Amino acid sequence: SAVISQKPSRDICQRGTSLTIQCQVDSQVTMMFWYRQQPGQSLTLIATANQGSEATYESGFVIDKFPISRPNLTFSTLTVSNMSPEDSSIYLCSVAPTVQETQYFGPGTRLLVL
Amino acid sequence: GENVEQHPSTLSVQEGDSAVIKCTYSDSASNYFPWYKQELGKGPQLIIDIRSNVGEKKDQRIAVTLNKTAKHFSLHITETQPEDSAVYFCAARKLTGGGNKLTFGTGTQLKVEL
Repeated sequence: SAVISQKPSRDICQRGTSLTIQCQVDSQVTMMFWYRQQPGQSLTLIATANQGSEATYESGFVIDKFPISRPNLTFSTLTVSNMSPEDSSIYLCSVAPTVQETQYFGPGTRLLVL
Repeated sequence: GENVEQHPSTLSVQEGDSAVIKCTYSDSASNYFPWYKQELGKGPQLIIDIRSNVGEKKDQRIAVTLNKTAKHFSLHITETQPEDSAVYFCAARKLTGGGNKLTFGTGTQLKVEL
């Protein structure tokens, strides 16, 4: 399976600021996804990161709040904009080598907003 | 859309006993069911998966069973060990169409006691 890294691994931020999270894969993958996992909860899909085009957002998530970039087949970023304490969560990147194959997750970014 | 229910939310077993976690899904078109293990401070790790053309799959101490008619699938862990303690998530998706989107269950906190 692919080796996935995320930066930063954790951060503490002030409300009103923005944080960009990076996801790097050691091989080219067709699909990259961003999830949010609130404390003690399950995983919620934020968006599918599309290479060379705008991300596809799930209901309840908007581009202005969670802008996503995917410049190539091994890298993506998620920005959490204008943060509030409710954005405190684990943000997870996942990848699938092809549309058919299963998803593999990165280690996550633990975000605390004060 | 798909809805996945998972039970129990917490499960405590003695070391060496078996553990069973059950999930039900709503969309009869779903045909791929992975299970993830999430240890504290880490991202979810794929431990086993099953496709709808198979009724059971086994990998050492871990097995998954699928009942397509009843739309439920289960994770079985035998001879549990302390390192099995983690949160387990089931998920469901369609292998074709659906854009590789996973729908997750709510998670089961498994604690293996000495």
